[in-house]
Amino acid sequence: GEDVEQSLFLSVREGDSSVINCTYTDSSSTYLYWYKQEPGAGLQLLTYIFSNMDMKQDQRLTVLLNKKDKHLSLRIADTQTGDSAIYFCAEIDYGGATNKLIFGTGTLLAVQP
Amino acid sequence: GAGVSQTPSNKVTEKGKYVELRCDPISGHTALYWYRQSLGQGPEFLIYFQGTGAADDSGLPNDRFFAVRPEGSVSTLKIQRTERGDSAVYLCASSLSGAGRDEQYFGPGTRLTVT
Repeated sequence: GEDVEQSLFLSVREGDSSVINCTYTDSSSTYLYWYKQEPGAGLQLLTYIFSNMDMKQDQRLTVLLNKKDKHLSLRIADTQTGDSAIYFCAEIDYGGATNKLIFGTGTLLAVQP
Repeated sequence: GAGVSQTPSNKVTEKGKYVELRCDPISGHTALYWYRQSLGQGPEFLIYFQGTGAADDSGLPNDRFFAVRPEGSVSTLKIQRTERGDSAVYLCASSLSGAGRDEQYFGPGTRLTVT
C-alpha cells in the first residue's frame, strides 16, 4: 500500500531557511501536496507540484521533486515565527473513482525568535 | 465566501454511545471526503461522496461507522457503540468535482473524545 514518511520535528531560527523532507511510495501519483496545520485550525493547502515538474517556486516556498528517489521537499525561505506549525506532505491515490489524499505523519516546525 | 464548516467542534461521549458529526461543504462542491486524524498522525481517508452516493467507503474501519449525504450537500458521519479508540479529530473536505486537480478544502474538524 501507499506510505508517506516525514521526519517528526524541525527547529530553526527566525530568518533561516527551513527544509522539510518527505518520501512517498506511489510512483503513479500525479500531484503531490504540502499542507500546513496550525493549532485549532483546519488543514491549509500551501502548494502542490505536478509530477512532471522538478521544481516549483511560490514566493517564500520552493518545492523540489525527485521522482527517481520518490523524494519531495519543501523549503521555506526567511522562516518567520508565524510559520510554526505542522506540515504534511500528501500524495493523491487514484485508486478506483476516488482521488483520496494519503498524508504523511507530519513535521512539526518550531521557529525560534 | 464560506468555507467548509463542521459541527460540533468538540464532542465528548461515553463509551458505547452513538454520535453524529456534521459537515457543511462549500456550496456547489459535489465531492465530499471524511478523514480521521489520530493524535500525532496525519489524516487518514474514511469515505468519499460524489453527489448523494458514497463512491468509496473503503476507509471506514468497521461497520460501526456510517455516513450519509442525502441531498448531495450536508453530510453526517455516524458512529455507533463508540469505543475509546474512536477518539480523534474527524475532518471533512470538499472539492468542486472530485477530480485530482481539484483542491480539497478542509473544515476545522470535530474533536471526538470517548471516555
